[in-house]
Amino acid sequence: GESVGLHLPTLSVQEGDNSIINCAYSNSASDYFIWYKQESGKGPQFIIDIRSNMDKRQGQRVTVLLNKTVKHLSLQIAATQPGDSAVYFCAENEGAQKLVFGQGTRLTINP
Amino acid sequence: EAQVTQNPRYLITVTGKKLTVTCSQNMNHEYMSWYRQDPGLGLRQIYYSMNVEVTDKGDVPEGYKVSRKEKRNFPLILESPSPNQTSLYFCASSPLAGANNEQFFGPGTRLTVL
Repeated sequence: GESVGLHLPTLSVQEGDNSIINCAYSNSASDYFIWYKQESGKGPQFIIDIRSNMDKRQGQRVTVLLNKTVKHLSLQIAATQPGDSAVYFCAENEGAQKLVFGQGTRLTINP
Repeated sequence: EAQVTQNPRYLITVTGKKLTVTCSQNMNHEYMSWYRQDPGLGLRQIYYSMNVEVTDKGDVPEGYKVSRKEKRNFPLILESPSPNQTSLYFCASSPLAGANNEQFFGPGTRLTVL
């Protein structure tokens, strides 16, 4: 089956710097990708999504980039704040039935 | 407030004692799903439901049952829990009948089976 993975399991950044979290996917048929943030003790929270007919989408302080040629997805967080500390998951759809999640990247913000 | 609720939030039980974890959403969502989250394995789908009376297996359905008699509720049933079902469980819902849309997650249920 397809897999969704992350290049780095942990990422530490300085407060105020930009963060980039990467994700590789293997299913060429996936046409929907989504990023979730999970804080300790909470359920995953939607950050941003993108469909395969786009290569970039921006939200508030976040940008998702999709490179279908190399099957790569990234989440950019601008001006990282302490509240951004969390585990970030990427996910891709498998048809209309389900989302397949990566294992997650833990983002730590250094003061 | 639009939300997905789960009960109980924490549960410690013993092997073989049937239990049900409830999930309810008040957003009139079509799609609902159950996941389990284990260290190093991320979120894995157990069962999903595209609509009332329509359910199907996810990646790890063994040992679980679900039902979708009403749109808002999607209970997860463990008929005979075993220690390998100790995990953190999340229910999620999505407005459209498909997973290729934003899913809203509940707060989670931490289950320990002794």
